Amino acid sequence: GIQVEQSPPDLILQEGANSTLRCNFSDSVNNLQWFHQNPWGQLINLFYIPSGTKQNGRLSATTVATERYSLLYISSSQTTDSGVYFCVRIGNQGGKLIFGQGTELSVKP
Amino acid sequence: NAGVTQTPKFQVLKTGQSMTLQCAQDMNHNSMYWYRQDPGMGLRLIYYSASEGTTDKGEVPNGYNVSRLNKREFSLRLESAAPSQTSVYFCASSFDRGLGEQYFGPGTRLTVT
Repeated sequence: GIQVEQSPPDLILQEGANSTLRCNFSDSVNNLQWFHQNPWGQLINLFYIPSGTKQNGRLSATTVATERYSLLYISSSQTTDSGVYFCVRIGNQGGKLIFGQGTELSVKP
Repeated sequence: NAGVTQTPKFQVLKTGQSMTLQCAQDMNHNSMYWYRQDPGMGLRLIYYSASEGTTDKGEVPNGYNVSRLNKREFSLRLESAAPSQTSVYFCASSFDRGLGEQYFGPGTRLTVT
């Protein structure tokens, strides 16, 4: 079936550092989101980005659909960035979400 | 604009009890979804409603029923709760099925003892 692979699986950063999270897909991407699940369990939409580049404050994302990958950039990380980042492909049938295994990010003060 | 709201936030049930989880969205979305998330896992689709008046099974529908009450509201019912249904339940909505981003509610943490 369709696979979504994220790397790295976990990451520890010092506050203020930058990072790049990667998501690879086994098939062509036409519907993709990045989520942040914070330590309280809330799922926060970061980007809906089937292709191209988007920026929102310190975060930006790029999806290269033809090469089957997406990148999430976090600049000047803060402790509130801690949590798990999921790359999610939205299936065409019934909105089924196909999750990557997530990147667990811990930002230390 | 509250987005997607869910009630309750927490619930403890005994095996065999029933309950209904409520979800509402105010974004005029056509499609709504119920997911469960178990520790260390992504979300799995329980049921979805592509549009008002329709519901369909997702990956893990057994033990659950749903009702799309109107365009805004989509409820999930556990008729006879089992410990295997201990999970965090998320409701979501999107403008259309399988298209566009999904917006999630805050979740309901359910424990079945």
